[in-house]
Amino acid sequence: GENVEQHPSTLSVQEGDSAVIKCTYSDSASNYFPWYKQELGKRPQLIIDIRSNVGEKKDQRIAVTLNKTAKHFSLHITETQPEDSAVYFCAASYTGGGNKLTFGTGTQLKVEL
Amino acid sequence: DAGVIQSPRHEVTEMGQEVTLRCKPISGHDYLFWYRQTMMRGLELLIYFNNNVPIDDSGMPEDRFSAKMPNASFSTLKIQPSEPRDSAVYFCASSFVGDWNQPQHFGDGTRLSIL
Repeated sequence: GENVEQHPSTLSVQEGDSAVIKCTYSDSASNYFPWYKQELGKRPQLIIDIRSNVGEKKDQRIAVTLNKTAKHFSLHITETQPEDSAVYFCAASYTGGGNKLTFGTGTQLKVEL
Repeated sequence: DAGVIQSPRHEVTEMGQEVTLRCKPISGHDYLFWYRQTMMRGLELLIYFNNNVPIDDSGMPEDRFSAKMPNASFSTLKIQPSEPRDSAVYFCASSFVGDWNQPQHFGDGTRLSIL
């Protein structure tokens, strides 16, 4: 089955700096890659996703890149703010796989003032 | 769109008692997922349904856990008898599938504490 590895497990940045979180996946059939943000005590919320027919997607300060050959994808947050502090999860799934997501183990991002 | 609705939000009960968690998916979504989240094990998929039919229950930890989806707008996750190690946050999520997979939308979760 699919295996998703996520790094780093913790990340501390200064406000205004950029943050990058990386994930690798094992199943070349995977073609959908969402990213979730989970604040303390809250539910995971989708922040951005990418499908295998594109290499990059942006939404304001957030971007995701996908390298199908290397089977890795990354989340980029620019101009970080304290409210970006949360746990971020990457995930992967493939069409025909029942919409089942395989999640990474999460990255605790802390944005310091 | 009311989102995925879970109840109760918090449950505290004694070991050995039966616990029932409830979920109402987003209308029109044909997939429903139950997850368990703990610090030690992260986010674990327990079971998921498609069109009310269980598709994969390989994540259900023991026979003490059972899940049902009697109709498209309601699902339950039951633990009987409950044990302290079942303490966790249980999330329900729903989605639909078009030409491509679509994101799962999570409910607010049930924080379960077994004493």
